[in-house]
Amino acid sequence: GAVVSQHPSRVICKSGTSVKIECRSLDFQATTMFWYRQFPKQSLMLMATSNEGSKATYEQGVEKDKFLINHASLTLSTLTVTSAHPEDSSFYICSAPFSGTRGGDTQYFGPGTRLTVL
Amino acid sequence: GENVEQHPSTLSVQEGDSAVIKCTYSDSASNYFPWYKQELGKGPQLIIDIRSNVGEKKDQRIAVTLNKTAKHFSLHITETQPEDSAVYFCAASFGRGNKLVFGAGTILRVKS
Repeated sequence: GAVVSQHPSRVICKSGTSVKIECRSLDFQATTMFWYRQFPKQSLMLMATSNEGSKATYEQGVEKDKFLINHASLTLSTLTVTSAHPEDSSFYICSAPFSGTRGGDTQYFGPGTRLTVL
Repeated sequence: GENVEQHPSTLSVQEGDSAVIKCTYSDSASNYFPWYKQELGKGPQLIIDIRSNVGEKKDQRIAVTLNKTAKHFSLHITETQPEDSAVYFCAASFGRGNKLVFGAGTILRVKS
């Protein structure tokens, strides 16, 4: 249990275009999901919390108009990078909390999406 | 703000030896401390976690210890194997809603 998937696994786009990344919880429901960005050889930085049925909450310094988040259902959150530029190239990873047998919510991560903006 | 410091940044050990990675957190309200293993090009994989009401937890070759007074926690891997080579991240919960702040990561290399 507690499997999180992401699609696509990698995407290359031209500067100025928009890219949508999907995050799905495959065998559990998640009212909350998290989006992270990871630059090469760096740590994971939390970008925003995706909330089913309400607006996402963004961490300080993250442009909400550039990184649009929609939590369409209890198993799907999407991140759209609008008007992408080369500096947006990064590894984007989502996670979802799941209670399971560990007690309390444990975050399980998706496999990540490698975005390259030319 | 919330901060997690992780040391060392790189660690090389001989196969069969033990490896220890240490983290310190700043938010005294943090109550959940997971450890993740990340292989190149993949998402982080949870390997062990500990909550603030427990001082130590063990799962086969992996153990985590927590000292809430000193605000630090450590990952211990015994009998290391080449497949343990990866980047390891510690994390601590902060704020409301299960948010995590991550350490900078440790590159572990197990030499055979």
